[in-house]
Amino acid sequence: DTEVTQTPKHLVMGMTNKKSLKCEQHMGHRAMYWYKQKAKKPPELMFVYSYEKLSINESVPSRFSPECPNSSLLNLHLHALQPEDSALYLCASSQVPQKNTEAFFGQGTRLTVV
Amino acid sequence: AQSVTQLDSHVSVSEGTPVLLRCNYSSSYSPSLFWYVQHPNKGLQLLLKYTSAATLVKGINGFEAEFKKSETSFHLTKPSAHMSDAAEYFCVVSDRLTGGGNKLTFGTGTQLKVEL
Repeated sequence: DTEVTQTPKHLVMGMTNKKSLKCEQHMGHRAMYWYKQKAKKPPELMFVYSYEKLSINESVPSRFSPECPNSSLLNLHLHALQPEDSALYLCASSQVPQKNTEAFFGQGTRLTVV
Repeated sequence: AQSVTQLDSHVSVSEGTPVLLRCNYSSSYSPSLFWYVQHPNKGLQLLLKYTSAATLVKGINGFEAEFKKSETSFHLTKPSAHMSDAAEYFCVVSDRLTGGGNKLTFGTGTQLKVEL
């Protein structure tokens, strides 16, 4: 199983809402990532978890709150988002800590903030 | 920091003709390089990766790439394009993170269009 599963596929939320994005993998990978991709742009790294601990936060606003409850799951909690946060949010996983290891991506959650 | 530059934002080819998508990298040491493909409204799929074991790397769907250190290039090629190859292609360089995991830095992408 080389799959990373993200739910939901689409999400529309108001600026006062609280929602969560979920990501799951069963490849035994101990590094998991959140990327944000705006239309017609490459993905940009938001967070990295290594062995269920947050290792990288790329200066992401606090209205985005990641959580890694176990080695298979990664969540992204959303609160008080702005319309400019509308984007495709991609989850990925990889082995740790080998060089040249590829990341496996989910299909993404298309988020629209209204 | 390592980086990659994709030289063409759009490439258009006819079905059955060769594909060339260009990528140059900047790195002070032996880089970890990848090509990913993204079809519309989809996630990213790995096409191939450079592991330093061989300079010519074969990937899925008939794609291959050649690592040329003297030219700092990692161009993606395919002998014969198929309509299903139409997608966005990203050249990617990977940095190992001290806390574990890897940071992928993406090029700006090349949109491949395949015409009948």
